[in-house]
Amino acid sequence: NAGVTQTPKFQVLKTGQSMTLQCAQDMNHNSMYWYRQDPGMGLRLIYYSASEGTTDKGEVPNGYNVSRLNKREFSLRLESAAPSQTSVYFCASSLDRRSPQHFGDGTRLSIL
Amino acid sequence: GEDVEQSLFLSVREGDSSVINCTYTDSSSTYLYWYKQEPGAGLQLLTYIFSNMDMKQDQRLTVLLNKKDKHLSLRIADTQTGDSAIYFCAEILTTSGTYKYIFGTGTRLKVLA
Repeated sequence: NAGVTQTPKFQVLKTGQSMTLQCAQDMNHNSMYWYRQDPGMGLRLIYYSASEGTTDKGEVPNGYNVSRLNKREFSLRLESAAPSQTSVYFCASSLDRRSPQHFGDGTRLSIL
Repeated sequence: GEDVEQSLFLSVREGDSSVINCTYTDSSSTYLYWYKQEPGAGLQLLTYIFSNMDMKQDQRLTVLLNKKDKHLSLRIADTQTGDSAIYFCAEILTTSGTYKYIFGTGTRLKVLA
């Protein structure tokens, strides 16, 4: 029972580099989410996908793009990384937007 | 506003009860959740309560809901060192037919042996 799988677990980037964080779920969930978690700030929603084929901005979308590749996969892209994007990124999924969310173990991203 | 408020820290002795409090924003929220985050891991659903309930008990966990005061609490009986973690409450806001998840800022529980 993999649940929600995120790759990579750790990454160090230089300012201006780009990268894509991958997320896949095997629970046949319709909704998927990307959050960032910073000390003292709780979880902040970056983007979400209510269902396959749709994506919407969350609370802090600037500097990010997402792709809902299919029902299972939802990726987050940083086009030009900035030090302010140093954070722990979590992907989550849920059956629908009211249901409990299931989280991956996170990607720890440092931007120098 | 849309802030779900929690106190930042709680410290208890092993074997005592822990009570983690949360004030949410919308008295009409129908779903309220508690999550646990252990170091280096994602959030894990602990328990939940529907708004038509006042209390829910699940083994060592008791959730109390006061809709009038928009107050939610999580009581952990016989707290163990393995309960040391960050606990988040979350509510589902309904706005114009859509749903929005709002997480609290989290309460860091430290259990002293």
